[in-house]
Amino acid sequence: GAGVSQSPRYKVAKRGQDVALRCDPISGHVSLFWYQQALGQGPEFLTYFQNEAQLDKSGLPSDRFFAERPEGSVSTLKIQRTQQEDSAVYLCASSLPRDSGNTIYFGEGSWLTVV
Amino acid sequence: DQQVKQNSPSLSVQEGRISILNCDYTNSMFDYFLWYKKYPAEGPTFLISISSIKDKNEDGRFTVFLNKSAKHLSLHIVPSQPGDSAVYFCAAIRGGYQKVTFGTGTKLQVIP
Repeated sequence: GAGVSQSPRYKVAKRGQDVALRCDPISGHVSLFWYQQALGQGPEFLTYFQNEAQLDKSGLPSDRFFAERPEGSVSTLKIQRTQQEDSAVYLCASSLPRDSGNTIYFGEGSWLTVV
Repeated sequence: DQQVKQNSPSLSVQEGRISILNCDYTNSMFDYFLWYKKYPAEGPTFLISISSIKDKNEDGRFTVFLNKSAKHLSLHIVPSQPGDSAVYFCAAIRGGYQKVTFGTGTKLQVIP
């Protein structure tokens, strides 16, 4: 597709369950970001990849959160032993290198509810 | 520490009038600013941006103004249309790669 694709769109997990959220960036975009958006808040940065290298993971809230992009394209955000406070929309975004422009394109998000 | 602030959580404007959405920031290292529009159940959509070396950027009905000395930017929509009703996020980038810092959003309602 032409845009950033995320799956699943909606996920309900029982507390303690592990979840995996997938992101397909726009073809050719080397930069990939994960953001977390809680209800009524703006998106908060989680982590950044340049190709397969995770260059910044300073926003990951705990060691239960793990992201990977092994081949520099598709990325997976994994949350282990989910807690209720993990309930949020997880947004993936991709972009070209900054010297090619500053527009970051977002997917529609994966809506996680932990019960 | 909220580095990008949108102090108005909501705004109502009559169709055809001007909508003005405001944003303040605290980090003087930000060098690029963006506005995103978000409909319910969708991801943010890029709207317009401005570099810190400029004070105005215009794209159709949308104009962004930047006042660096005041660390303030605003988005003007004129004329406002009902389809503009959405949540608008102000965002900023600081050097390096495009790590975006978002404000908390302003919900705009354009009344027909």
